Amino acid sequence: TQLLEQSPQFLSIQEGENLTVYCNSSSVFSSLQWYRQEPGEGPVLLVTVVTGGEVKKLKRLTFQFGDARKDSSLHITAAQPGDTGLYLCAGGDYKLSFGAGTTVTVRA
Amino acid sequence: SAVISQKPSRDICQRGTSLTIQCQVDSQVTMMFWYRQQPGQSLTLIATANQGSEATYESGFVIDKFPISRPNLTFSTLTVSNMSPEDSSIYLCSVLQGFDEAFFGQGTRLTVV
Repeated sequence: TQLLEQSPQFLSIQEGENLTVYCNSSSVFSSLQWYRQEPGEGPVLLVTVVTGGEVKKLKRLTFQFGDARKDSSLHITAAQPGDTGLYLCAGGDYKLSFGAGTTVTVRA
Repeated sequence: SAVISQKPSRDICQRGTSLTIQCQVDSQVTMMFWYRQQPGQSLTLIATANQGSEATYESGFVIDKFPISRPNLTFSTLTVSNMSPEDSSIYLCSVLQGFDEAFFGQGTRLTVV
């Protein structure tokens, strides 16, 4: 099983601030995914990064895949209360490994 | 993207009883996955269910405790048997698009009392 470590475990910030979540592994992944989960719902796929060094933007969210394809980051600019949720990174083929998750709370 | 309907969304059960969770997908898929998640925590894979064959269980999970059915390519059930309070958790079914992008049902929040 390929392990993914996420940090930090918890983040609480004020609306309008920026935040970054990290996902690291000692293993090389062919791709990594980021999911967001809100209470009472299943995780929802945000993005897949495939190429080492790749940067993808989804509105105020920026995702980066490390050059060596062992790590990824999620950066949120000008966070809003709607960004509150559990953020999970995942990787692997067919049988995915999930990070422990980062609980993000954006205060209005 | 696949649309997955999972039910029940939540239940409170007595210890020693069993609960069957249903998962319906709007398209045919080869593999379906069942996960367990403690609130606010990550996902742990219970088993992979393929149509026409027995499910493949991960370490720490056994068929007697978590029997799975997969009668066709759009449906699966997970039963949590002889429940104890330690089984209180969120149970999620999932399918893949391609080999790495997962889509999930809304989850079943189980409380065992």
